[in-house]
Amino acid sequence: DAKTTQPPSMDCAEGRAANLPCNHSTISGNEYVYWYRQIHSQGPQYIIHGLKNNETNEMASLIITEDRKSSTLILPHATLRDTAVYYCIVRVAGTSGSRLTFGEGTQLTVNP
Amino acid sequence: EAGVAQSPRYKIIEKRQSVAFWCNPISGHATLYWYQQILGQGPKLLIQFQNNGVVDDSQLPKDRFSAERLKGVDSTLKIQPAKLEDSAVYLCASSLGLAPNNEQFFGPGTRLTVL
Repeated sequence: DAKTTQPPSMDCAEGRAANLPCNHSTISGNEYVYWYRQIHSQGPQYIIHGLKNNETNEMASLIITEDRKSSTLILPHATLRDTAVYYCIVRVAGTSGSRLTFGEGTQLTVNP
Repeated sequence: EAGVAQSPRYKIIEKRQSVAFWCNPISGHATLYWYQQILGQGPKLLIQFQNNGVVDDSQLPKDRFSAERLKGVDSTLKIQPAKLEDSAVYLCASSLGLAPNNEQFFGPGTRLTVL
């Protein structure tokens, strides 16, 4: 699985957009980009995933660069409840399964 | 829709004792995962099942850890004997299948403290 690089921490003001970057320069053509978050003392929560195209759902938007070497997760109007560790993961499926390899993620703190 | 259920939520044991964790995945999910999350780190996959068969157990310390999913639904993870470094949160997750666009749903985890 391709390795990802994320900043260890970020701050955002409540109500503003939070833009979380992720570098995955060694990504392969068949690897998806996944984003999960983990609020303190809870299990990770799926946010969004994509392969090539930008994606949007009710939680966030995922922008993937054309060369697929980096991506940005956008929380359009961050709230205090969005304070969490955000994990960017690249994932490939093969005959042996499709594990999620978590790094250390980005601690996002949303401030009032 | 009910989520992934895990029990117990917390467990404290002495080193060299045994412990077991239980997981009930989302109904209809064929794939089940056990992860270990040490404080301050991201979760690490221990073992992955597809129905009742093991797909990936390459990171499972097989000298002390074992897991089973006999009927392809519930699963148990056992540690025998426990060491201090096994203190962690043990997360169970499930997904519809192995395809990369099948999202994994996580349970709340079991926090294990080994004294």
